[in-house]
Amino acid sequence: DQQVKQNSPSLSVQEGRISILNCDYTNSMFDYFLWYKKYPAEGPTFLISISSIKDKNEDGRFTVFLNKSAKHLSLHIVPSQPGDSAVYFCAARVVGGGADGLTFGKGTHLIIQP
Amino acid sequence: KAGVTQTPRYLIKTRGQQVTLSCSPISGHRSVSWYQQTPGQGLQFLFEYFSETQRNKGNFPGRFSGRQFSNSRSEMNVSTLELGDSALYLCASSPGGSGWIYEQYFGPGTRLTVT
Repeated sequence: DQQVKQNSPSLSVQEGRISILNCDYTNSMFDYFLWYKKYPAEGPTFLISISSIKDKNEDGRFTVFLNKSAKHLSLHIVPSQPGDSAVYFCAARVVGGGADGLTFGKGTHLIIQP
Repeated sequence: KAGVTQTPRYLIKTRGQQVTLSCSPISGHRSVSWYQQTPGQGLQFLFEYFSETQRNKGNFPGRFSGRQFSNSRSEMNVSTLELGDSALYLCASSPGGSGWIYEQYFGPGTRLTVT
């Protein structure tokens, strides 16, 4: 049972436009969400996170939106740049669980077209 | 600050053998987690260590084990290797501490191939 789902394996966006990556989750105990970016042959790199007490968090070109009632979050990248081409993972964990590792989605491969 | 380092970066083993992978966390970080990444299953949590104690374990068979040393360095061991164990094994470190959530910082991974 996949608790964190990224239903789009890949996404192609033109340079300069907005990239929207989506993530759905089923476990209502998840209380903290993170996005990671991964280039080939490298480990994932933390991008941005959001706690369930917020519905939006912004960091430069990256904004994460959380809709807790729909158990849905999204990552917006504006404007998209060629260096943004990578695999993006959505991850979640239970706050206060202390010991739980992150639960990851299977990733969305974002391709920025020139 | 140096990042998370993992050794070796690449490894080829034969089915039935065992393997030990090593991870050195960021200086000052006390929590180390291990993940397995495969094309079919994505990133899956193996286990986490904090202050030399395994705090939680994912849904993997007992062939997968780990330990953490007093300097926070961690090793994971896979015994009786199977072809399906071929994967990228990622280590992640965080400051740790109960009741707090920290973003985990990942190493580059060890690519294990079982033939």
